[in-house]
Amino acid sequence: GENVEQHPSTLSVQEGDSAVIKCTYSDSASNYFPWYKQELGKRPQLIIDIRSNVGEKKDQRIAVTLNKTAKHFSLHITETQPEDSAVYFCAASIETGGSYIPTFGRGTSLIVHP
Amino acid sequence: EPEVTQTPSHQVTQMGQEVILRCVPISNHLYFYWYRQILGQKVEFLVSFYNNEISEKSEIFDDQFSVERPDGSNFTLKIRSTKLEDSAMYFCASTPETTEAFFGQGTRLTVV
Repeated sequence: GENVEQHPSTLSVQEGDSAVIKCTYSDSASNYFPWYKQELGKRPQLIIDIRSNVGEKKDQRIAVTLNKTAKHFSLHITETQPEDSAVYFCAASIETGGSYIPTFGRGTSLIVHP
Repeated sequence: EPEVTQTPSHQVTQMGQEVILRCVPISNHLYFYWYRQILGQKVEFLVSFYNNEISEKSEIFDDQFSVERPDGSNFTLKIRSTKLEDSAMYFCASTPETTEAFFGQGTRLTVV
């Protein structure tokens, strides 16, 4: 089955700095890679996703890159703000046009210091 | 904005007791899921459900677990005989025909 590794487990940055979270996956058939943000005690919420037919996707201050050959993908947050503090989970899955079962990474706790 | 809703938000139960966790997925979604998250750990897939039957399940989803969609709107997870290690946050999620899982706010299950 799919195995997703995520690093680092904790990331501490100053407000305004950039943050990068990296994930690797094992199953070359995986073609859909969502990122979820989970604030303390709340539900995971999708913040950005990328499919294997593109190498990069941006949405305002967040971007995701995908290297299919190396089987790794990364989340980039620029100009971090205290409200970005949360646990971020990457996931990898095979999108078959219907159901998909994401395998999650272990999460990265991002702390943005004001 | 439509949301997945889960009840109860907290459930405390004695070891060996049965619990039922309830979810109301978003109304036009077709695929339903249960995940669990042990405190401080990653989200783990339990089971997916489509067209009134289980489509996938993980090794965690053993004979003690079952799911049901009893009335076309609710989606339930039953744990027949709870163990201490079942203590976790349980998330329900639903998706329309394409991806992007929408998660409920979770039910925190504590087995004592």
